Amino acid sequence: AQKITQTQPGMFVQEKEAVTLDCTYDTSDPSYGLFWYKQPSSGEMIFLIYQGSYDQQNATEGRYSLNFQKARKSANLVISASQLGDSAMYFCAMREGKSNFGNEKLTFGTGTRLTIIP
Amino acid sequence: EAGVTQSPTHLIKTRGQQATLRCSPISGHTSVYWYQQALGLGLQFLLWYDEGEERNRGNFPPRFSGRQFPNYSSELNVNALELEDSALYLCASSLDRGRVAETQYFGPGTRLLVL
Repeated sequence: AQKITQTQPGMFVQEKEAVTLDCTYDTSDPSYGLFWYKQPSSGEMIFLIYQGSYDQQNATEGRYSLNFQKARKSANLVISASQLGDSAMYFCAMREGKSNFGNEKLTFGTGTRLTIIP
Repeated sequence: EAGVTQSPTHLIKTRGQQATLRCSPISGHTSVYWYQQALGLGLQFLLWYDEGEERNRGNFPPRFSGRQFPNYSSELNVNALELEDSALYLCASSLDRGRVAETQYFGPGTRLLVL
């Protein structure tokens, strides 16, 4: 079963509008972390925002916020007031905390290609 | 503060050759991770090095190997290259391997093309 599911392969959004990128996850571990990364065409993965499974509040970082719904196992990224420079691939990733060794890796979804239209 | 650096940016090899990719982590980071991003596929975990030791590897054949040096930089070696090894190879580093919250910061990647 997929651990991270991103159901939107591509999205087109008008500049200055808000956009929500969907991410659902699957884990039985009570301790986990959820990450969002942005990958422009240059290839580099840029860290955007983090949400821990025990965090009581939704994470926010500037124009980025994470809509964390633990019971539904979803961690959607919300970008407010989108800009042309937001056009990129966006990946949701999870790190599970089962043990000290063996779960250090990030498991990534397949990504969503976001295109901002002027 | 300098980010994660990788070299070379592009690498072209022929089938059967060996490729060596290099990564320098952010200063102070001791963990280095390697991921493969093949065209049309997501990122797949390859290898994790911490304090000079290989701690975990993904579902890749043994011809993918590497090492971590005393200065925490790392090298990924791919032997007997196959066409399907063509991909973007991303290196990431983190400060503390023990915390779920520890963010992995990525380098710009090396694009490997196998002809």
